[in-house]
Amino acid sequence: GAGVSQSPSNKVTEKGKDVELRCDPISGHTALYWYRQSLGQGLEFLIYFQGNSAPDKSGLPSDRFSAERTGGSVSTLTIQRTQQEDSAVYLCASSLVQYQETQYFGPGTRLLVL
Amino acid sequence: GDSVTQMEGPVTLSEEAFLTINCTYTATGYPSLFWYVQYPGEGLQLLLKATKADDKGSNKGFEATYRKETTSFHLEKGSVQVSDSAVYFCALRVLNSGGSNYKLTFGKGTLLTVNP
Repeated sequence: GAGVSQSPSNKVTEKGKDVELRCDPISGHTALYWYRQSLGQGLEFLIYFQGNSAPDKSGLPSDRFSAERTGGSVSTLTIQRTQQEDSAVYLCASSLVQYQETQYFGPGTRLLVL
Repeated sequence: GDSVTQMEGPVTLSEEAFLTINCTYTATGYPSLFWYVQYPGEGLQLLLKATKADDKGSNKGFEATYRKETTSFHLEKGSVQVSDSAVYFCALRVLNSGGSNYKLTFGKGTLLTVNP
């Protein structure tokens, strides 16, 4: 079956530009997560969505980062006024809420800020 | 806070060699422990897990035992194959008093290369 998909797979942008990263979770998964993997670092939790509940944004590194999830499915992570330190692989994952420990990851979007 | 420390790579082995990737953790609650694997060009996949002390997770010939006394969850395989070449991540999830915690805390990953 279809897994988690993310687009674009790669994104190169100039410092100061805004970028949008998209995630399509597995159908029926109500929980959605965003993580960031910086060079030489582990995965860093960014934000969590569960159904219609308020998202947990505690992992977002600055107010330049925001995310939304429309219709309980597709999610968009937006980075405004990108900085070079935002360069990383952004990973999206989804799960059934009752099996949150088993998260299914997408292939990621590799973001490079010049 | 919660953290995971795993051995730095890269690790390079010959086919049929024995593999150990060390992982230790610190956690404030009652962690479940995981190994995720990322094959080239693919997303992370759950490889195995253990939810309580002394549990052994196993999958595809890989094993890891949850050792509370040493706060460790080392990954082992008796005979690696070229197809095992990937990045391996150790992770934990801590259950809070409410009984749920969705955040996974990951180690930095260990790149394994298996040569024929």
